[in-house]
Amino acid sequence: GQQVMQIPQYQHVQEGEDFTTYCNSSTTLSNIQWYKQRPGGHPVFLIQLVKSGEVKKQKRLTFQFGEAKKNSSLHITATQTTDVGTYFCAVKFSNTGNQFYFGTGTSLTVIP
Amino acid sequence: DTGVSQDPRHKITKRGQNVTFRCDPISEHNRLYWYRQTLGQGPEFLTYFQNEAQLEKSRLLSDRFSAERPKGSFSTLEIQRTEQGDSAMYLCASSFWRDRPEQFFGPGTRLTVL
Repeated sequence: GQQVMQIPQYQHVQEGEDFTTYCNSSTTLSNIQWYKQRPGGHPVFLIQLVKSGEVKKQKRLTFQFGEAKKNSSLHITATQTTDVGTYFCAVKFSNTGNQFYFGTGTSLTVIP
Repeated sequence: DTGVSQDPRHKITKRGQNVTFRCDPISEHNRLYWYRQTLGQGPEFLTYFQNEAQLEKSRLLSDRFSAERPKGSFSTLEIQRTEQGDSAMYLCASSFWRDRPEQFFGPGTRLTVL
C-alpha cells in the first residue's frame, strides 16, 4: 500500500541549532502540506507545496518538494524554544481521491 | 482560535455504549474532515464531506462508525458498540476548497472507552 514515512521520529537540538525533518513517499504525490502540533494542541497548517522542485520560505522555515514529487523536507534555521512541537507532513497521492494521509510526525525538542 | 469547535471535548464511556460527537466548522467552509489520532501517531483519515455529501470514507473504517452532515454545516460522528481500541482523539477539520488549501482543525474530542 501507499505509505508516508517521516524521519526522524524524534529530534533534540540545542537552541540556535538547525533542524530538518523529511517526508518520503513510495509513490508520486499530488501535493503535500505541512502542519505543526504543539503538545496538547491540534495541528496547525504551515504550508502547501504543489510543484515539482518547489521551495517556499517562511521566516526561519524552508520547505522543499522533491523533483520527483515523492519527498519533501522542512528545515528550521536557528531553532527557538517556540519551535517545540511535532511536525507532520500530510500528502495527497496522485492516484487516489482527495483524502490526506498524515505521516507519523517528527517531535522536536529544543533545549534552552 | 481556529473557529472550528467540537463537542464534547472529553468523553468517557463503557465498552459497548454508543457515542456521538459534534463538529461545527468555520461557517463558509464547504469541506469537512474527520480524523482519529492516537498517541505518537499522525491524524488518520476517517471521512470527508463536501457540503452535505460524504465523498470519501476510509476503508479502514468499521461499520460501527457513521458520519453525517445533514445541511452542509455541522457534522456528527457516531460510534456504535464502542470498543477499547476506539479510545483516541477525534479531530474535525474544515477547509474552503478552491480558495485556500489549508485544513483548520478543531480542538478534538478525546474518547476513553473503559
